[in-house]
Amino acid sequence: RKEVEQDPGPFNVPEGATVAFNCTYSNSASQSFFWYRQDCRKEPKLLMSVYSSGNEDGRFTAQLNRASQYISLLIRDSKLSDSATYLCVVAGGSYIPTFGRGTSLIVHP
Amino acid sequence: EAGVAQSPRYKIIEKRQSVAFWCNPISGHATLYWYQQILGQGPKLLIQFQNNGVVDDSQLPKDRFSAERLKGVDSTLKIQPAKLEDSAVYLCASSWAGGGNEQFFGPGTRLTVL
Repeated sequence: RKEVEQDPGPFNVPEGATVAFNCTYSNSASQSFFWYRQDCRKEPKLLMSVYSSGNEDGRFTAQLNRASQYISLLIRDSKLSDSATYLCVVAGGSYIPTFGRGTSLIVHP
Repeated sequence: EAGVAQSPRYKIIEKRQSVAFWCNPISGHATLYWYQQILGQGPKLLIQFQNNGVVDDSQLPKDRFSAERLKGVDSTLKIQPAKLEDSAVYLCASSWAGGGNEQFFGPGTRLTVL
């Protein structure tokens, strides 16, 4: 089993739709969790950190489920500009980060 | 604030040649990372430095890859000799402390091995 797993997609949704991605991790000692966004041929950039209590930033909501060892990202009211690859990052007790392969999102008119 | 700088941006070499990449992190960032990203995959951590010490290099192919971070600031990653499968984008990132903090990425070096 890979350390961090994501469905590569693509998720193809219309503007205004709500879409959710999950990311599972294998190391139960993992301490830090993040979602990064990567546009085509660009570097990854932090979208949001994921806290135990969950967190929300505008149309984006991230949640952590330690019992089932997954994190999720919910995007409401999708925009064309949300089209990108969403990378899940998990860091263990030694804070060495592991990236998932990413989930591709395509928002169409 | 200046971001993470990398050079060159693009490099084309033939197999068995050598190549080196350079990275200058954000000022004050103690942790520096080198990643390899193959098309369609997520970034794979090659090596993580904390100041000028190595935190993790478990996925660095040490028979051909080497990296150093002298004086705990900028860093170089070298491949010698290159193989076809080394074709990828090499990303450098830095963070204030370890992997539990936000990483800031440079633009990457796109390597093509022919």
